[in-house]
Amino acid sequence: GESVGLHLPTLSVQEGDNSIINCAYSNSASDYFIWYKQESGKGPQFIIDIRSNMDKRQGQRVTVLLNKTVKHLSLQIAATQPGDSAVYFCAENFPRGRRALTFGSGTRLQVQP
Amino acid sequence: DVKVTQSSRYLVKRTGEKVFLECVQDMDHENMFWYRQDPGLGLRLIYFSYDVKMKEKGDIPEGYSVSREKKERFSLILESASTNQTSMYLCASSHPGGSGYTFGSGTRLTVV
Repeated sequence: GESVGLHLPTLSVQEGDNSIINCAYSNSASDYFIWYKQESGKGPQFIIDIRSNMDKRQGQRVTVLLNKTVKHLSLQIAATQPGDSAVYFCAENFPRGRRALTFGSGTRLQVQP
Repeated sequence: DVKVTQSSRYLVKRTGEKVFLECVQDMDHENMFWYRQDPGLGLRLIYFSYDVKMKEKGDIPEGYSVSREKKERFSLILESASTNQTSMYLCASSHPGGSGYTFGSGTRLTVV
C-alpha cells in the first residue's frame, strides 16, 4: 500500500550548520506535501508545504525540495538553532480517495550547542 | 489566536471504561481528524469528518467511534478501553482543498 517514510530516524547537527531531513513517498499521484514540526509536549505545527507542480519552495530559513522522479521530499533548515530541535514529519495528500493526509514516522533533529 | 483545543492533556482510565476525548476548533473548519501517535509509528488516522454528522474510517478505526454533532466539535469515543489504546491522541482540523492541518496539543491517554 501507499506509505510515507523517512530515511533517518534521528539526525544530530551542530548549531549553525544546515540540516537536511529526507522523506520518501510511494504514491506518485500525491499532489500536495507538508512538513510539520513537533516539539516535546506539543501538537505538530505546520512549517512549509509544496504542491506537486513545483520542485522547490522557500520559507524563512527553510526550503522544501520535491523530486517527483524518485518520489523524494526533503526539508532543509539553514543555520540550525537549538530551537529547531524537534521531531519533523512529512505528510502527503492523495488527490483521490480519502480526504486525509498520510504521515511519515518522523525524524528527530537534535541540535548540539 | 485560532486554535484547536483538546479538553484534557492527560487521562488515566481503567480497562473496560468508556472514554470520551473532546476536541473543539474555532476556525470554522469543515474537516476534523483524530490521529493517534505512537513511537516509531508516526501519526495514524483513526477517523475523520468532513461535515457535521458525517464521518469516515481511517486506517485504524477498530475499538473507536466518533461523533460530530456540531461543526466545531469532534469527539473520539473508546467504547471499552484496552491497554493497547494507551497512546497520544491528536485532533486536527482543516478547510477542504488540501490545506495544512491545525493540530491540538494532544491528549496522552493511559489505560491501566
